[in-house]
Amino acid sequence: DAGITQSPRHKVTETGTPVTLRCHQTENHRYMYWYRQDPGHGLRLIHYSYGVKDTDKGEVSDGYSVSRSKTEDFLLTLESATSSQTSVYFCASRSGTSGRARETQYFGPGTRLLVL
Amino acid sequence: AQKVTQAQTEISVVEKEDVTLDCVYETRDTTYYLFWYKQPPSGELVFLIRRNSFDEQNEISGRYSWNFQKSTSSFNFTITASQVVDSAVYFCALSEETSGSRLTFGEGTQLTVNP
Repeated sequence: DAGITQSPRHKVTETGTPVTLRCHQTENHRYMYWYRQDPGHGLRLIHYSYGVKDTDKGEVSDGYSVSRSKTEDFLLTLESATSSQTSVYFCASRSGTSGRARETQYFGPGTRLLVL
Repeated sequence: AQKVTQAQTEISVVEKEDVTLDCVYETRDTTYYLFWYKQPPSGELVFLIRRNSFDEQNEISGRYSWNFQKSTSSFNFTITASQVVDSAVYFCALSEETSGSRLTFGEGTQLTVNP
């Protein structure tokens, strides 16, 4: 498995405040992803990155922005948190290079975010 | 557009029973990948298997086996002689080569194995 960490692991914040979640991987993977997990929806893609400074939107990107200034770090920012963004957030990465495992995404431990 | 359906929301079995988790997918791509992930009560997502669209061989890993059938667009997962430690939510997922290999997940099946 890829060495992926997420910080913080738990966060409680108030509506309207900015929040940044960090994903850090030590595998030199090219691709990184942010998902949110909500009951009845499984996991849904928020944003993804296909290289340093290269990012694109997923299916639920409204209200979120991302940045990737280094291969190992992928930041997810909620510019002004809302109660609908209360969720569990997972980061994932995959190598994308040659080899059988290049298509497999490995996940971090998740961040539980509560917006009051 | 890609889609994954796991029709079984919850399954409850008694230890040592065999159980099959169903997964049906939709895609227009000819090259795609199917995955199963396990999410135990602790919450992390654990990768179990990846299957390529051009490889229809079934696979067995210990008590786990997977049946991939392109004709019915299904990728079912069977646990033989289930154990309490198998209790978890299991997700089936699909990625298409033309969509940047973004994963589309099913809603998951909650499996409870009772002693």
